[in-house]
Amino acid sequence: EADIYQTPRYLVIGTGKKITLECSQTMGHDKMYWYQQDPGMELHLIHYSYGVNSTEKGDLSSESTVSRIRTEHFPLTLESARPSHTSQYLCASSELFPNYGYTFGSGTRLTVV
Amino acid sequence: AQTVTQSQPEMSVQEAETVTLSCTYDTSESNYYLFWYKQPPSRQMILVIRQEAYKQQNATENRFSVNFQKAAKSFSLKISDSQLGDTAMYFCAFMPHQGGSEKLVFGKGTKLTVNP
Repeated sequence: EADIYQTPRYLVIGTGKKITLECSQTMGHDKMYWYQQDPGMELHLIHYSYGVNSTEKGDLSSESTVSRIRTEHFPLTLESARPSHTSQYLCASSELFPNYGYTFGSGTRLTVV
Repeated sequence: AQTVTQSQPEMSVQEAETVTLSCTYDTSESNYYLFWYKQPPSRQMILVIRQEAYKQQNATENRFSVNFQKAAKSFSLKISDSQLGDTAMYFCAFMPHQGGSEKLVFGKGTKLTVNP
């Protein structure tokens, strides 16, 4: 079944650690997105990609970085985690023209202590 | 810039009753798409219903229907015969047709609680 997968589902990590949040999709979608969801549940776009080797920053400034080496894979990396990075991170993907919207992963809930 | 406004941060409804969630948007585009997404607690966000702006007929999906008023830039979601499983955050989203650079613009969400 075509889907989008995020791992880990939950992560508790110490300050200063490097972390990578994984996101993979099996639908062959060209476009992929990372959202940060704050405690009030509002969604903030932090990164997006229109295809392999294409990455752009989103509307909300983020210290994270992303890469898109393969169509199906769009990992997000934090070089040095801080408590302010504690949040839920949602990955999504879409066709080139997303007239049917996005498909979302289940999210990674990150806690930095 | 396009904006999406959901004026009801929280709503509650009794099981089996009908509830309507409001959404307004601001755009100068004439061709666009509108969506309602549902995010249950600790679960995946899923698409509930979509509407194409050039279609006058309101979209329906089983118990979910929309009231699309293009001139008023309003896109409300009606949930009939509410069920406990409808408890979730609901996000309204807008997407203009811009020839390749489209991205969804989300509202801040409405938290819906269905009470037994």
